[in-house]
Amino acid sequence: AQSVSQHNHHVILSEAASLELGCNYSYGGTVNLFWYVQYPGQHLQLLLKYFSGDPLVKGIKGFEAEFIKSKFSFNLRKPSVQWSDTAEYFCAVSSNNAGNMLTFGGGTRLMVKP
Amino acid sequence: GAGVSQSPSNKVTEKGKDVELRCDPISGHTALYWYRQSLGQGLEFLIYFQGNSAPDKSGLPSDRFSAERTGGSVSTLTIQRTQQEDSAVYLCASSLRTASYNEQFFGPGTRLTVL
Repeated sequence: AQSVSQHNHHVILSEAASLELGCNYSYGGTVNLFWYVQYPGQHLQLLLKYFSGDPLVKGIKGFEAEFIKSKFSFNLRKPSVQWSDTAEYFCAVSSNNAGNMLTFGGGTRLMVKP
Repeated sequence: GAGVSQSPSNKVTEKGKDVELRCDPISGHTALYWYRQSLGQGLEFLIYFQGNSAPDKSGLPSDRFSAERTGGSVSTLTIQRTQQEDSAVYLCASSLRTASYNEQFFGPGTRLTVL
């Protein structure tokens, strides 16, 4: 079975600070990795995904993530956060060999102070 | 275009009652998923439908939970004899195809409160 861990449950940053949210997964096969974001009062939406190719993927709103296979990690980064990035962030994994459903991490609540 | 829609947005029910939650996926999407989001369990998979194949029910927590998808489009999640631990936000998602790398588009969810 696959599982996902997000080590930071709550993060508070000031505007312009750099962000890195950790995500580790456990699964021995080929995986697809996602970061979803849920802004206050809104539904989940995709930030970025990785399924093959360049392990450094760029998403919307200046976010990027790096897949490091040897570390089973897919950390999310943004060089300079804005107040509007306040949201909950979810890392997720899927695999053709383990069903097509998403397995989510516990989420990280980010608060950006203006 | 229209996204995934769910109804009702909120549902309050009494313990022991049955509830039905509806999901309208994005038109043309062949895969449909149900998840629930609760404080204690986070986001967890319930069931998914892929085209005309038998659904994957491996995430349903008990036999009180069932779902169907009629005509390859609208889906209904039914919870019988609701319990307080069923209180959660039930999310529906759809994707264009069933490959696991496809983006899943989520609806706004139905917040279920069991009194």
